[in-house]
Parts: sequence; structure tokens; C-alpha cells
Amino acid sequence: EAQVTQNPRYLITVTGKKLTVTCSQNMNHEYMSWYRQDPGLGLRQIYYSMNVEVTDKGDVPEGYKVSRKEKRNFPLILESPSPNQTSLYFCASRPPDFFEETQYFGPGTRLLVL
Amino acid sequence: AQSVTQPDIHITVSEGASLELRCNYSYGATPYLFWYVQSPGQGLQLLLKYFSGDTLVQGIKGFEAEFKRSQSSFNLRKPSVHWSDAAEYFCAVGPFSGGGNKLTFGTGTQLKVEL
Repeated sequence: EAQVTQNPRYLITVTGKKLTVTCSQNMNHEYMSWYRQDPGLGLRQIYYSMNVEVTDKGDVPEGYKVSRKEKRNFPLILESPSPNQTSLYFCASRPPDFFEETQYFGPGTRLLVL
Repeated sequence: AQSVTQPDIHITVSEGASLELRCNYSYGATPYLFWYVQSPGQGLQLLLKYFSGDTLVQGIKGFEAEFKRSQSSFNLRKPSVHWSDAAEYFCAVGPFSGGGNKLTFGTGTQLKVEL
């Protein structure tokens, strides 16, 4: 089954404790991205990756890092989480041709930073 | 800059009634428009998309949307709502060269269905 998986699905942590949210897709997609969803703000892009070893900032990259060492994985790293990063996070992937197909979204990771 | 407006934060309809969710966009070129649904605790699922051609687009689960360029709108409709349609609905517009052809999302409309 074609899917995007994220782990963990729920996470409670404390300010300053580094964490990583993993994202993996089994569709051999080149493009992957991370979004955060906040009430009243919709989804905003954090980082994206056009292919392996190619990453770039989205609209709200501050406080986040990513890496793309393999095509299937695109982890999101919070080096020093702060309470304003409490949010619902979605990973997404799609083929390179935007007009051929659209994005597949993971199930989401709900993060609470105390 | 591109933007998407969903003017209704919450909508409540009775089961069996018709539904229309509004979406207005601001974009300098020909838009590509999407509607996604997010059920409680779930990720986003694509309902339908408009790239070109017929301005009335059919999607999954009995949904349709109509692109009206003159009104910069892409409203989502369903003739008869089912209780399982209760969810949050997002309109999105793209692509944009910045952000690797990312989508810009609206703030969402929460749909409640009364039995």
C-alpha cells in the first residue's frame, strides 16, 4: 500500500530537549516536505526537499532542521524545542511532476512542548 | 503574494441537506486548486483538484467544486451530506516556484453534521 508514515504520532517533551520526527514514504517520490498545522493558520510549509541531499526552507523554518540522505526518509529535527513549536506536523511526498499527481500526506504527529 | 481564504470557520448542516464550503484565492497566474479533507485524527486526503478544462470538477465521496475565475472562487459542494462527512476541509492553491511548487492552504472549515 502506498503510504507516508510518521513516527511518533504523539509526543510530549520539555523545552530544550532535542527530538526527531521521522517520515518515510514507499512510493519512490523525489519530493518531500514538512508542514505544521495550527488553529486558524491552516498548514504552513516548514522545509522541503526536491531530491536526495537537496533541501530548502519553506515559510516557517526557524527552529527546525531536516536531512535527506535517502530518497524514502525525510526526518524533521528540533534541536532545542520551544513551546511555540507545539503543533500538529504533517509530512508529505509526491512525484516530481506536479501536474501528474498531487501530494500524499502522512497521518500527522502531534507535538506538545512544555 | 498568493493566498487562500476560507471565510467560514465552522459550518453546521443537517444530515441529508446540501453543503457548500467557500474558498476564495488570490493568485497572479492561472491557479491550480485543491480541496482536502481531514477527518479527526487523520491526515489529509485529496477530495478533488482543478488544473484546467471543465470548470466543474467531480471528486471522491460525492463532492464537486466549481472554479469561477471572475469571482476567484473554488467552492466545494455536496448535494446530500452524510454524518461521516463531519471533518475539517481545506482549500489549497498552487504551484509556486518558491517552496518547490508548494501548496498554500486556507485556514480550514470545520463541518459538523447534525443527525
